[in-house]
Amino acid sequence: GAVVSQHPSWVICKSGTSVKIECRSLDFQATTMFWYRQFPKQSLMLMATSNEGSKATYEQGVEKDKFLINHASLTLSTLTVTSAHPEDSSFYICSASWWRHYNEQFFGPGTRLTVL
Amino acid sequence: GENVEQHPSTLSVQEGDSAVIKCTYSDSASNYFPWYKQELGKGPQLIIDIRSNVGEKKDQRIAVTLNKTAKHFSLHITETQPEDSAVYFCAAPLGEYGNKLVFGAGTILRVKS
Repeated sequence: GAVVSQHPSWVICKSGTSVKIECRSLDFQATTMFWYRQFPKQSLMLMATSNEGSKATYEQGVEKDKFLINHASLTLSTLTVTSAHPEDSSFYICSASWWRHYNEQFFGPGTRLTVL
Repeated sequence: GENVEQHPSTLSVQEGDSAVIKCTYSDSASNYFPWYKQELGKGPQLIIDIRSNVGEKKDQRIAVTLNKTAKHFSLHITETQPEDSAVYFCAAPLGEYGNKLVFGAGTILRVKS
């Protein structure tokens, strides 16, 4: 149980284009989803927290207009990187938790974004 | 806020030996301490966790110990195998009811066969 999927697993795009990454909880209803960014050989950096049906809460230093997060249902959250640039290239990972065990997080497999 | 420090940053052990990774945290209200294993190019996988009402938890070759007084917790892997090679992260929540996790810097574990 507690399986989280992400799509796509990797994406290459041109500078200036937008990219959407999907995060799905497959066997439970995720009351909260989290988006992380991870640079090579570094730890996970929390970008934002989203609850179903409400606006995402962004961490300090994360541009809201750059990284659009939508949590439309209890099983789906999306991260859209708008007008991507090479410095946005990174490994993006989502996680999900549910109300009963609110501080347990289950992670997706990650999405490798490369912006040319 | 919570601050989590993790040591060592790299650890090499011989196959069959034990490995220990330690983390300290700053917020005494924290009550949940997970450990994640991350293989190259993959997302972190929860391998074991402990809540503050117990001092130790074991799952086969993996164990976690918690010292609330000293505010530190440790991951113990016994009889290490090459497939244990990965990056391990500890984490702690922001506050007693926090659902955000603060992660340690990670430990690269290499098991030599």
